[in-house]
Amino acid sequence: DGGITQSPKYLFRKEGQNVTLSCEQNLNHDAMYWYRQDPGQGLRLIYYSQIVNDFQKGDIAEGYSVSREKKESFPLTVTSAQKNPTAFYLCASSPRDGPYEQYFGPGTRLTVT
Amino acid sequence: GENVEQHPSTLSVQEGDSAVIKCTYSDSASNYFPWYKQELGKGPQLIIDIRSNVGEKKDQRIAVTLNKTAKHFSLHITETQPEDSAVYFCASIDRDMRFGAGTRLTVKP
Repeated sequence: DGGITQSPKYLFRKEGQNVTLSCEQNLNHDAMYWYRQDPGQGLRLIYYSQIVNDFQKGDIAEGYSVSREKKESFPLTVTSAQKNPTAFYLCASSPRDGPYEQYFGPGTRLTVT
Repeated sequence: GENVEQHPSTLSVQEGDSAVIKCTYSDSASNYFPWYKQELGKGPQLIIDIRSNVGEKKDQRIAVTLNKTAKHFSLHITETQPEDSAVYFCASIDRDMRFGAGTRLTVKP
């Protein structure tokens, strides 16, 4: 059963703690992306990676970090430097070199108190 | 980055009626325009897309039209059903993908 998995679905953290969100895909896609979704807004790009061991900042990268050690995995760390971390986080992947035909995971809702 | 404006933000229709959602983009280099459907608590699902060399594309009850001169594109859903109720997002791509703010569609039975 191919697809993109994100875990956990819900995550709660105390302010000041770093937290890592998981994203795994078995679609053999080269490119992977992390987006943040807030109520009433479109998706905003945090980071993306077009190839293993390489990634680029998106529009709102401050306070976040990523790694791409394997083609299948693209974890996102929300650091304590992120001022408003509570949000719905979406991971996506695409089969081409470029952001076309992106397929999304189910998302992780992070709540920081 | 470049913006994508999406209207309306909410849309309520009666079952069987048509629904139209419109988006406007600003970057003339944009060449790919997908539409996503997002159900509550889930990730967006690609439902239809169109490339800049095509003016219209249909897939059963769903169609997308593109006017490159005016820089706008629209999603048309005919014979709406309650299961069409969701939030719909448009996007445009040149180098990066830019999303509209979404339209919450409610189909009343």
